[in-house]
Amino acid sequence: AQSVAQPEDQVNVAEGNPLTVKCTYSVSGNPYLFWYVQYPNRGLQFLLKYITGDNLVKGSYGFEAEFNKSQTSFHLKKPSALVSDSALYFCAVRDGGNNNAGNMLTFGGGTRLMVKP
Amino acid sequence: KAGVTQTPRYLIKTRGQQVTLSCSPISGHRSVSWYQQTPGQGLQFLFEYFSETQRNKGNFPGRFSGRQFSNSRSEMNVSTLELGDSALYLCASSLLQGASGANVLTFGAGSRLTVL
Repeated sequence: AQSVAQPEDQVNVAEGNPLTVKCTYSVSGNPYLFWYVQYPNRGLQFLLKYITGDNLVKGSYGFEAEFNKSQTSFHLKKPSALVSDSALYFCAVRDGGNNNAGNMLTFGGGTRLMVKP
Repeated sequence: KAGVTQTPRYLIKTRGQQVTLSCSPISGHRSVSWYQQTPGQGLQFLFEYFSETQRNKGNFPGRFSGRQFSNSRSEMNVSTLELGDSALYLCASSLLQGASGANVLTFGAGSRLTVL
Protein backbone atom coordinates (compact mmCIF):
# COMPACT_ATOMS: atom_id res chain seq x y z
CA ALA A 1 0.00 0.00 0.00
CA GLN A 2 1.18 3.52 -0.67
CA SER A 3 1.07 6.42 1.75
CA VAL A 4 1.95 10.08 2.07
CA ALA A 5 2.87 11.94 5.24
CA GLN A 6 2.80 15.67 5.74
CA PRO A 7 4.24 16.03 9.24
CA GLU A 8 3.18 19.62 9.80
CA ASP A 9 -0.48 20.56 10.12
CA GLN A 10 0.44 24.21 9.79
CA VAL A 11 3.43 26.23 8.64
CA ASN A 12 3.77 29.88 9.53
CA VAL A 13 6.09 32.17 7.61
CA ALA A 14 6.54 35.88 7.21
CA GLU A 15 5.97 37.46 3.83
CA GLY A 16 9.20 37.62 1.84
CA ASN A 17 10.80 34.74 3.71
CA PRO A 18 11.44 31.34 2.12
CA LEU A 19 8.94 28.59 2.82
CA THR A 20 9.12 24.81 2.93
CA VAL A 21 6.21 22.39 3.20
CA LYS A 22 7.35 18.86 3.93
CA CYS A 23 6.19 15.62 2.37
CA THR A 24 7.42 12.05 2.63
CA TYR A 25 5.98 9.09 0.76
CA SER A 26 5.94 5.35 0.57
CA VAL A 27 5.23 3.46 -2.63
CA SER A 28 6.31 0.09 -3.97
CA GLY A 29 7.11 1.18 -7.51
CA ASN A 30 8.47 4.36 -8.99
CA PRO A 31 6.76 7.35 -7.44
CA TYR A 32 4.78 9.85 -9.41
CA LEU A 33 4.55 12.82 -7.03
CA PHE A 34 2.27 15.83 -7.07
CA TRP A 35 1.57 18.99 -5.16
CA TYR A 36 -1.88 20.55 -5.17
CA VAL A 37 -3.16 23.67 -3.43
CA GLN A 38 -6.67 24.34 -2.13
CA TYR A 39 -8.08 27.78 -1.48
CA PRO A 40 -11.23 28.24 0.66
CA ASN A 41 -14.40 26.93 -0.99
CA ARG A 42 -12.44 25.82 -4.03
CA GLY A 43 -11.27 22.54 -5.45
CA LEU A 44 -7.64 21.55 -5.66
CA GLN A 45 -5.33 23.26 -8.12
CA PHE A 46 -2.26 21.58 -9.59
CA LEU A 47 1.11 23.10 -8.71
CA LEU A 48 3.74 20.67 -9.98
CA LYS A 49 4.65 17.04 -10.48
CA TYR A 50 7.65 14.76 -10.54
CA ILE A 51 7.85 11.70 -12.75
CA THR A 52 11.48 11.27 -13.62
CA GLY A 53 14.54 13.31 -14.46
CA ASP A 54 15.81 16.38 -12.68
CA ASN A 55 15.22 16.16 -8.94
CA LEU A 56 14.27 19.84 -8.77
CA VAL A 57 10.87 20.48 -10.30
CA LYS A 58 9.57 23.95 -11.01
CA GLY A 59 5.87 24.66 -11.00
CA SER A 60 3.23 27.35 -10.93
CA TYR A 61 3.35 30.61 -8.97
CA GLY A 62 7.08 30.35 -8.26
CA PHE A 63 6.84 27.06 -6.36
CA GLU A 64 9.37 24.28 -6.74
CA ALA A 65 9.85 20.89 -5.16
CA GLU A 66 12.88 18.71 -4.59
CA PHE A 67 12.65 14.96 -5.03
CA ASN A 68 14.97 12.99 -2.75
CA LYS A 69 14.83 9.27 -3.41
CA SER A 70 17.00 8.19 -0.49
CA GLN A 71 14.88 10.13 1.98
CA THR A 72 11.63 9.40 0.11
CA SER A 73 10.76 13.06 0.32
CA PHE A 74 9.25 15.64 -1.99
CA HIS A 75 9.32 18.95 -0.14
CA LEU A 76 7.60 22.00 -1.58
CA LYS A 77 9.56 25.25 -1.54
CA LYS A 78 9.33 28.88 -2.53
CA PRO A 79 12.13 31.42 -2.18
CA SER A 80 9.91 34.32 -1.14
CA ALA A 81 6.44 33.80 0.31
CA LEU A 82 3.44 35.98 -0.48
CA VAL A 83 0.39 36.57 1.69
CA SER A 84 -1.67 35.23 -1.21
CA ASP A 85 0.15 31.88 -0.88
CA SER A 86 -1.84 31.23 2.30
CA ALA A 87 -3.83 28.08 1.57
CA LEU A 88 -4.01 24.33 2.19
CA TYR A 89 -1.33 22.30 0.42
CA PHE A 90 -1.56 18.63 -0.43
CA CYS A 91 1.14 16.22 -1.49
CA ALA A 92 0.04 13.14 -3.44
CA VAL A 93 1.61 9.99 -4.86
CA ARG A 94 0.73 7.49 -7.55
CA ASP A 95 2.55 4.24 -8.12
CA GLY A 96 4.20 4.75 -11.49
CA GLY A 97 4.98 1.07 -11.69
CA ASN A 98 1.34 0.06 -11.54
CA ASN A 99 -0.28 0.40 -14.94
CA ASN A 100 -3.66 -0.31 -13.39
CA ALA A 101 -3.46 2.59 -10.93
CA GLY A 102 -5.08 4.97 -13.38
CA ASN A 103 -5.48 8.40 -11.88
CA MET A 104 -5.87 7.04 -8.37
CA LEU A 105 -3.84 9.28 -6.08
CA THR A 106 -3.03 8.88 -2.42
CA PHE A 107 -3.00 12.25 -0.68
CA GLY A 108 -1.30 13.42 2.46
CA GLY A 109 -3.32 15.01 5.22
CA GLY A 110 -2.57 18.52 4.05
CA THR A 111 -0.55 21.40 5.49
CA ARG A 112 -2.05 24.79 6.09
CA LEU A 113 0.35 27.55 5.08
CA MET A 114 -0.10 30.90 6.78
CA VAL A 115 1.91 33.79 5.39
CA LYS A 116 1.80 36.88 7.55
CA PRO A 117 2.54 40.42 6.33
CA LYS B 1 -12.55 26.96 -21.56
CA ALA B 2 -14.99 25.88 -18.90
CA GLY B 3 -13.60 24.01 -15.93
CA VAL B 4 -14.97 21.01 -14.10
CA THR B 5 -18.53 21.73 -13.01
CA GLN B 6 -20.08 20.03 -10.03
CA THR B 7 -23.72 20.26 -9.00
CA PRO B 8 -25.20 20.87 -6.57
CA ARG B 9 -22.62 22.88 -4.66
CA TYR B 10 -24.35 22.45 -1.32
CA LEU B 11 -26.99 20.07 -0.09
CA ILE B 12 -28.47 18.87 3.16
CA LYS B 13 -29.93 15.41 3.61
CA THR B 14 -31.12 13.32 6.52
CA ARG B 15 -29.93 9.90 7.55
CA GLY B 16 -31.31 7.11 5.44
CA GLN B 17 -31.86 9.24 2.36
CA GLN B 18 -29.90 8.94 -0.83
CA VAL B 19 -28.10 11.56 -2.86
CA THR B 20 -26.86 11.94 -6.42
CA LEU B 21 -24.02 14.29 -7.30
CA SER B 22 -23.15 15.35 -10.82
CA CYS B 23 -19.86 16.21 -12.50
CA SER B 24 -19.27 17.67 -15.95
CA PRO B 25 -15.61 17.33 -16.93
CA ILE B 26 -13.58 19.66 -19.07
CA SER B 27 -14.50 19.22 -22.71
CA GLY B 28 -12.40 16.45 -24.19
CA HIS B 29 -11.48 14.90 -20.86
CA ARG B 30 -12.49 11.27 -20.73
CA SER B 31 -11.33 10.30 -17.26
CA VAL B 32 -13.35 11.32 -14.22
CA SER B 33 -12.31 10.59 -10.65
CA TRP B 34 -14.16 11.18 -7.41
CA TYR B 35 -12.64 11.96 -4.02
CA GLN B 36 -14.15 12.45 -0.58
CA GLN B 37 -12.66 15.14 1.65
CA THR B 38 -13.34 15.17 5.38
CA PRO B 39 -11.51 16.84 8.28
CA GLY B 40 -10.81 13.48 9.90
CA GLN B 41 -9.88 11.26 6.96
CA GLY B 42 -8.57 13.86 4.54
CA LEU B 43 -8.80 13.22 0.83
CA GLN B 44 -9.77 9.67 -0.08
CA PHE B 45 -10.19 8.17 -3.53
CA LEU B 46 -13.67 6.90 -4.31
CA PHE B 47 -13.58 5.72 -7.90
CA GLU B 48 -12.43 6.51 -11.42
CA TYR B 49 -14.27 6.19 -14.69
CA PHE B 50 -12.89 6.14 -18.19
CA SER B 51 -14.96 5.63 -21.33
CA GLU B 52 -18.03 4.73 -19.24
CA THR B 53 -16.17 1.97 -17.37
CA GLN B 54 -15.17 1.99 -13.73
CA ARG B 55 -11.43 1.45 -13.74
CA ASN B 56 -10.61 1.73 -10.05
CA LYS B 57 -12.52 1.81 -6.80
CA GLY B 58 -11.39 2.97 -3.39
CA ASN B 59 -12.13 1.38 -0.06
CA PHE B 60 -15.70 2.53 0.41
CA PRO B 61 -18.84 0.49 1.10
CA GLY B 62 -21.21 -0.51 -1.65
CA ARG B 63 -23.53 2.36 -0.72
CA PHE B 64 -21.21 4.50 -2.80
CA SER B 65 -21.65 4.03 -6.52
CA GLY B 66 -21.12 5.95 -9.69
CA ARG B 67 -21.42 5.92 -13.42
CA GLN B 68 -20.20 7.74 -16.47
CA PHE B 69 -22.20 8.64 -19.53
CA SER B 70 -21.15 8.64 -23.16
CA ASN B 71 -20.47 12.39 -23.03
CA SER B 72 -18.04 11.74 -20.13
CA ARG B 73 -20.31 13.38 -17.56
CA SER B 74 -20.35 11.42 -14.34
CA GLU B 75 -22.64 10.94 -11.38
CA MET B 76 -22.04 9.44 -8.00
CA ASN B 77 -24.73 8.14 -5.71
CA VAL B 78 -24.71 7.50 -2.00
CA SER B 79 -27.59 5.46 -0.64
CA THR B 80 -28.77 5.06 2.95
CA LEU B 81 -26.87 8.12 4.09
CA GLU B 82 -25.03 8.09 7.40
CA LEU B 83 -23.82 11.01 9.47
CA GLY B 84 -20.25 10.12 8.56
CA ASP B 85 -20.98 10.69 4.88
CA SER B 86 -20.95 14.43 5.50
CA ALA B 87 -18.08 15.65 3.39
CA LEU B 88 -16.89 17.65 0.43
CA TYR B 89 -17.10 15.45 -2.64
CA LEU B 90 -14.61 16.43 -5.29
CA CYS B 91 -14.67 15.45 -8.92
CA ALA B 92 -11.58 15.64 -11.10
CA SER B 93 -11.09 15.12 -14.80
CA SER B 94 -8.10 14.42 -17.02
CA LEU B 95 -7.43 13.72 -20.64
CA LEU B 96 -6.34 10.14 -20.28
CA GLN B 97 -6.62 7.35 -17.76
CA GLY B 98 -3.29 6.87 -16.12
CA ALA B 99 -1.10 6.95 -19.18
CA SER B 100 2.63 7.14 -18.64
CA GLY B 101 3.57 10.63 -17.67
CA ALA B 102 1.08 10.91 -14.83
CA ASN B 103 -1.87 13.00 -15.86
CA VAL B 104 -2.71 16.23 -14.14
CA LEU B 105 -6.12 16.23 -12.52
CA THR B 106 -8.33 19.28 -12.81
CA PHE B 107 -10.69 19.47 -9.87
CA GLY B 108 -14.13 20.96 -9.56
CA ALA B 109 -15.13 23.15 -6.61
CA GLY B 110 -16.90 20.23 -4.99
CA SER B 111 -20.32 19.34 -3.63
CA ARG B 112 -20.62 19.84 0.11
CA LEU B 113 -22.97 17.28 1.60
CA THR B 114 -24.31 17.63 5.11
CA VAL B 115 -26.17 14.68 6.60
CA LEU B 116 -28.39 15.43 9.59
